[in-house]
Amino acid sequence: GAGVSQSPSNKVTEKGKDVELRCDPISGHTALYWYRQSLGQGLEFLIYFQGNSAPDKSGLPSDRFSAERTGGSVSTLTIQRTQQEDSAVYLCASSLDLVPDTQYFGPGTRLTVL
Amino acid sequence: GEDVEQSLFLSVREGDSSVINCTYTDSSSTYLYWYKQEPGAGLQLLTYIFSNMDMKQDQRLTVLLNKKDKHLSLRIADTQTGDSAIYFCAETELSGGYNKLIFGAGTRLAVHP
Repeated sequence: GAGVSQSPSNKVTEKGKDVELRCDPISGHTALYWYRQSLGQGLEFLIYFQGNSAPDKSGLPSDRFSAERTGGSVSTLTIQRTQQEDSAVYLCASSLDLVPDTQYFGPGTRLTVL
Repeated sequence: GEDVEQSLFLSVREGDSSVINCTYTDSSSTYLYWYKQEPGAGLQLLTYIFSNMDMKQDQRLTVLLNKKDKHLSLRIADTQTGDSAIYFCAETELSGGYNKLIFGAGTRLAVHP
């Protein structure tokens, strides 16, 4: 596609439910990143994919968070047993993984946990 | 860990220059970046500077880098209402064989008439 797309754009869920967030990167981009943006805070790195593998999962805040990428393209971020502190905007970015690197960001998914 | 700090808010009059400041900690950062986030949108790369440069100019944007003080600034000349957005500074950290971006909290720029 023309850019990075994410779905849904907004998600409201109840505490304790599982949610899946989807990211479609730019075609041909080997690197894919997930970030979390909480109100008034910067971008918190969650996970980095190179192809289908995730060499850096160091930012995942707990074992309730997991992500996968299939076919070197689409990625899903899953949050199990959501908590209110998970409420944030989840941003996905993709890049060609060069130096210097331009990460292209999607519009984000705004997650609200009631 | 690495840390990037920015002031959270800046208000300027339309037509004036804006200067957004950032300090970073990783002296080995090879590139430093400025991203812009408009309301309801993702981040968009504005410009970047290589660490062995001290200045880079791109139309209305001027980036200044003081490597000794680990201070980065973004100057926007003739600021317009369309420049109202959040501006993020980012440093690079070589992590696990790739260049990881570490972002600051962002500076919200408000442009008023």
